[in-house]
Amino acid sequence: AQSVAQPEDQVNVAEGNPLTVKCTYSVSGNPYLFWYVQYPNRGLQFLLKYITGDNLVKGSYGFEAEFNKSQTSFHLKKPSALVSDSALYFCAVRGYILTGGGNKLTFGTGTQLKVEL
Amino acid sequence: ETGVTQSPTHLIKTRGQQVTLRCSSQSGHNTVSWYQQALGQGPQFIFQYYREEENGRGNFPPRFSGLQFPNYSSELNVNALELDDSALYLCASSRDRERSGELFFGEGSRLTVL
Repeated sequence: AQSVAQPEDQVNVAEGNPLTVKCTYSVSGNPYLFWYVQYPNRGLQFLLKYITGDNLVKGSYGFEAEFNKSQTSFHLKKPSALVSDSALYFCAVRGYILTGGGNKLTFGTGTQLKVEL
Repeated sequence: ETGVTQSPTHLIKTRGQQVTLRCSSQSGHNTVSWYQQALGQGPQFIFQYYREEENGRGNFPPRFSGLQFPNYSSELNVNALELDDSALYLCASSRDRERSGELFFGEGSRLTVL
């Protein structure tokens, strides 16, 4: 079964500094990996995905993620953090629904990002 | 704004009661998935509906059931509510059973069971 792990419950960064939110994965076969963001009392918003190709994936709001097959990691990065980036970030992996033929996402436990002035 | 709307946004029920949550999918989307997000946890897959039929479910008991209507909107029903059912219930719509993996989430229905 596929899974993702987010080792940090919270990441604190000063505004203007680079940020990294970590994610490692465990899948059989090629991974389809995603990052979603959740603002307080809101649903999840898609940020970016890796399916195949370039190991550096660019997404919304200036975020990017680096896929590393040898380390089974998919870390989210941003060169210069903003206070408005403060939110809950989820890494996810796509898996098959065995009984139905469709796909589902398995999410990590989330990392709270706090960007301070 | 994703175009996915959920109702109600908040509700309080007591143990043993039943609840129905509703979701309108984004225009053009024929697949609806439901996820449960307990406090401090990531969303957990409940089940998926595709063209009005259940397309698979996660590790949830049968008292969690659903429907999808011809306009692709969906309902989640939970019978015999338990305290552990307290959570944010998220609906996500997509095209063609989420092949791309990019889901469009509503803002959720927060259920409190007392």
